[in-house]
Amino acid sequence: DAGVIQSPRHEVTEMGQEVTLRCKPISGHNSLFWYRQTMMRGLELLIYFNNNVPIDDSGMPEDRFSAKMPNASFSTLKIQPSEPRDSAVYFCASIQAGTANTEAFFGQGTRLTVV
Amino acid sequence: QQQVKQSPQSLIVQKGGISIINCAYENTAFDYFPWYQQFPGKGPALLIAIRPDVSEKKEGRFTISFNKSAKQFSLHIMDSQPGDSATYFCAAKGGNNRKLIWGLGTSLAVNP
Repeated sequence: DAGVIQSPRHEVTEMGQEVTLRCKPISGHNSLFWYRQTMMRGLELLIYFNNNVPIDDSGMPEDRFSAKMPNASFSTLKIQPSEPRDSAVYFCASIQAGTANTEAFFGQGTRLTVV
Repeated sequence: QQQVKQSPQSLIVQKGGISIINCAYENTAFDYFPWYQQFPGKGPALLIAIRPDVSEKKEGRFTISFNKSAKQFSLHIMDSQPGDSATYFCAAKGGNNRKLIWGLGTSLAVNP
């Protein structure tokens, strides 16, 4: 398996624009997590899905952020409109939940810069 | 409120030395304590993990020490190497909850 795949790797956009980040979890994994990483706040969990259903979105900072998981192999995180303070590295991770193995596998992240 | 407190924020160690990173937690329901390692430009990757039924777990040069009564756990890197230079995160979760609670990370630099 190629691991968790995120795209794009880098995104530079202007304030006010819509940004869509994409994630393909590892096949067979049924839990998916979106994280945001900054120097100041470390790793923040934004939202996680279990079997494509959003379970906990308490970390989503504002209504400008939304996430979807239309099927087991694809998820998106959308920011509309984007703001400079959204600049961060966004990670997607997946877990094969329901087994004894609880290891979270992370993608390589999307570095978002909002200017 | 941060439920997992990690220290130090940064650490510089000489090659061959011992690196020690500490974490403290509050929630007694936590029963899984992993350490993740992150290199620049990469996502975090699981390094080693422990459950509270043991007080220590060793994998190669990496050891987790766990103190249930003090609600603390630590990562020891023996014979630290420049290739160990990375950011290390501790985390915790409890029961069937799939959500990991993360420390803020420790940036480790091992000087050659």
